[in-house]
Amino acid sequence: DAGVTQSPTHLIKTRGQHVTLRCSPISGHKSVSWYQQVLGQGPQFIFQYYEKEERGRGNFPDRFSARQFPNYSSELNVNALLLGDSALYLCASSTGRAGGAQYFGPGTRLLVL
Amino acid sequence: QKEVEQDPGPLSVPEGAIVSLNCTYSNSAFQYFMWYRQYSRKGPELLMYTYSSGNKEDGRFTAQVDKSSKYISLFIRDSQPSDSATYLCAMSANRETSYDKVIFGPGTSLSVIP
Repeated sequence: DAGVTQSPTHLIKTRGQHVTLRCSPISGHKSVSWYQQVLGQGPQFIFQYYEKEERGRGNFPDRFSARQFPNYSSELNVNALLLGDSALYLCASSTGRAGGAQYFGPGTRLLVL
Repeated sequence: QKEVEQDPGPLSVPEGAIVSLNCTYSNSAFQYFMWYRQYSRKGPELLMYTYSSGNKEDGRFTAQVDKSSKYISLFIRDSQPSDSATYLCAMSANRETSYDKVIFGPGTSLSVIP
């Protein structure tokens, strides 16, 4: 079975630009969560979506937005990029039911110059 | 005080040693506890997933949760060089009517020396 897939794997942008990251969950999973991982730290929660609805949002500015599509895939959008947005962006897939574990994709490594 | 504390290491052990990794937390609402392994430049891989207090064993890995002390541990027996990675503890309140935001520790870097 295919795991969580993310695209692109790497991305280089300049300050002020916009970026869109994509994620496809494990087949049968209806929930997608997004995390930001800065080097040397644990992942920080950005968003969770379940059945196309936003279920939760972490402490990130409004420059960060996301959506989930009818096939449960998801996009994370970041506007007006800052140097501090350079990080590994991780997508996690889960059933969305209480007690369901989250399974991570390989991540998208974003570098903002 | 951070919600989840974890010694960042680095921790270096000889091959075959027993490794003990630990985390403490402050939020008594946490019910689900996880350990992830993350190799360099890769996504975290779920190793262990436990609910509430108690022990869980899977091969060379044992997870322990002590909710009264707000303390969780991961033990690795007969450690191998391939276990060299960063180990992240994570936890969630996972309430039925709310989202299951997972809070991670900063990770412990482990090196197993042949």
